[in-house]
Amino acid sequence: NAGVMQNPRHLVRRRGQEARLRCSPMKGHSHVYWYRQLPEEGLKFMVYLQKENIIDESGMPKERFSAEFPKEGPSILRIQQVVRGDSAAYFCASSPKGLAGGPSTDTQYFGPGTRLTVL
Amino acid sequence: KQEVTQIPAALSVPEGENLVLNCSFTDSAIYNLQWFRQDPGKGLTSLLLIQSSQREQTSGRLNASLDKSSGRSTLYIAASQPGDSATYLCAVHSGGGADGLTFGKGTHLIIQP
Repeated sequence: NAGVMQNPRHLVRRRGQEARLRCSPMKGHSHVYWYRQLPEEGLKFMVYLQKENIIDESGMPKERFSAEFPKEGPSILRIQQVVRGDSAAYFCASSPKGLAGGPSTDTQYFGPGTRLTVL
Repeated sequence: KQEVTQIPAALSVPEGENLVLNCSFTDSAIYNLQWFRQDPGKGLTSLLLIQSSQREQTSGRLNASLDKSSGRSTLYIAASQPGDSATYLCAVHSGGGADGLTFGKGTHLIIQP
């Protein structure tokens, strides 16, 4: 069973360009979470998605950032018009379906991350 | 708002020593608490998961305890080895509609050969 996969592993963009980060959850997992780790900072929760639904985006900046998890294919974190402050490691995690449709209390399995550098 | 604090921020000990890493959280309404390991430039590896109804979990040389009422967890590493050198992260999965994990800033551990 392959783990959580993220690509690209490293992404370089110039200010004003768009960044698209992809995450494929573990097989059988229907919950996806995105986190951001700024230099010298802890990981911060951004958004929680289930298939075709955004459940909680309370940690995601209101402008320029969006996320989706379509019925088919990977979850995408999209950052428009990137700025230098967006430079960070972006991690995706997945977990199995929670009981009674609620939040999963199982282990979150993390991918290797995408390291975004904005020049 | 849940806040997670890890002490110490950094620790350097000789190989073979037993050591304890500390984690505290402000809101005791949690589903579970996880300890992760992060190597430089790498992703996170889950070490132990303790559900809110549990007191401790063990895996090999690692033992994690949870005292939910006091908002504390400890990670005990026995007979430390140079390969244990990494940053150890504590994260809580809170209730009350908070769906993501709240992480501490980590303890940077160096085991001297």
